Amino acid sequence: GAGVSQSPRYKVAKRGQDVALRCDPISGHVSLFWYQQALGQGPEFLTYFQNEAQLDKSGLPSDRFFAERPEGSVSTLKIQRTQQEDSAVYLCASSPTGGREKLFFGSGTQLSVL
Amino acid sequence: QKEVEQNSGPLSVPEGAIASLNCTYSDRVSQSFFWYRQYSGKSPELIMSIYSNGDKEDGRFTAQLNKASQYVSLLIRDSQPSDSATYLCAVKGPRAGGTSYGKLTFGQGTILTVHP
Repeated sequence: GAGVSQSPRYKVAKRGQDVALRCDPISGHVSLFWYQQALGQGPEFLTYFQNEAQLDKSGLPSDRFFAERPEGSVSTLKIQRTQQEDSAVYLCASSPTGGREKLFFGSGTQLSVL
Repeated sequence: QKEVEQNSGPLSVPEGAIASLNCTYSDRVSQSFFWYRQYSGKSPELIMSIYSNGDKEDGRFTAQLNKASQYVSLLIRDSQPSDSATYLCAVKGPRAGGTSYGKLTFGQGTILTVHP
């Protein structure tokens, strides 16, 4: 595709509900990152994939957060039993190899947990 | 101590002035340094990258890196109202063994306002 695509753009969830956020990276990009950005803060690293391998999940805040990229392209970030503190913008970014080249960010999914 | 810290804002400068944005990082083995610009409600976009000590210029933007002081800065010359945005400093760590992966950590951002 032309860019990194994320869906949905906005998601409202009731506390305790499970949500799934989708990221479709640029075709052929090996590296995929998920970041969480709270209002007025910089993006916080969540997890990193190189193809289908999840090489770093050190930023996932709890075991309620789970990410996968089973075929090395589309990735899904799942949040179980959402809490109000999960409200944030979730950004996905991809890069060709994960080396020095820049990250291409998607528009993000704004999650609001009521 | 946060891994990447930026000077607290917001920063307000008049049109045509130089805007100076600063960033320090804690991990001495960090290898790559980036400045991203983020307009309100939009995703970050890369404006500068720097990998070695010294200055790097690109148009009105100059990035400066001092690894000994663990300090990186961004200067914006002839600031324009369209430069008003949040500027994010990002630092990439060393490669994880056998891969090209280096964790990219962002600072909290500095809000810049350029007023006419």
